Amino acid sequence: AQSVTQLGSHVSVSEGALVLLRCNYSSSVPPYLFWYVQYPNQGLQLLLKYTTGATLVKGINGFEAEFKKSETSFHLTKPSAHMSDAAEYFCAVSAGSGNTPLVFGKGTRLSVIA
Amino acid sequence: DARVTQTPRHKVTEMGQEVTMRCQPILGHNTVFWYRQTMMQGLELLAYFRNRAPLDDSGMPKDRFSAEMPDATLATLKIQPSEPRDSAVYFCASAGGQANTEAFFGQGTRLTVV
Repeated sequence: AQSVTQLGSHVSVSEGALVLLRCNYSSSVPPYLFWYVQYPNQGLQLLLKYTTGATLVKGINGFEAEFKKSETSFHLTKPSAHMSDAAEYFCAVSAGSGNTPLVFGKGTRLSVIA
Repeated sequence: DARVTQTPRHKVTEMGQEVTMRCQPILGHNTVFWYRQTMMQGLELLAYFRNRAPLDDSGMPKDRFSAEMPDATLATLKIQPSEPRDSAVYFCASAGGQANTEAFFGQGTRLTVV
């Protein structure tokens, strides 16, 4: 069985500040981990993914995440927030690659203050 | 520009009516997922298909929901009869192909049952 916990349903940061969105997972098999972003009235867009290999993964729009097996974490970071980063962010886990179902966290809404 | 297409984008219907949502997966993808997003439950897997065969529909209320893939270019999700608690955003996603690294999401169908 797999599950995802996202700490903080709402995070607010100032423009230019560090963005840190937390994600912890549980998986009985080696996990594949994903971060998706959802803008209002839109579908989900993949930000980045961890499958195997390098534990620090870089994604689009300056985001990155680090897979830490010992901590069962996959936190999302961005050094400097931009107003356009305001959206809902979802962490997800699966037991395989793209064609395996995703189990999502509840999401974190990121607000960016000017 | 390959994308998952969902129709309709919005649907308002009266309780008891039949609702059909359609999804055109990305050409060459062999796996189609249906997810439902609500405020209370977040994103949940309803069902998914691989090579048009249903692999898991345990997330669907069987008495009123049905999912099919009449052909490789069309997936449908039906609700009959609809109830107010079915109000949600329904997402279709597809995956597979040569890369098979991620699922691509459609923009969703926002269903309101009054």
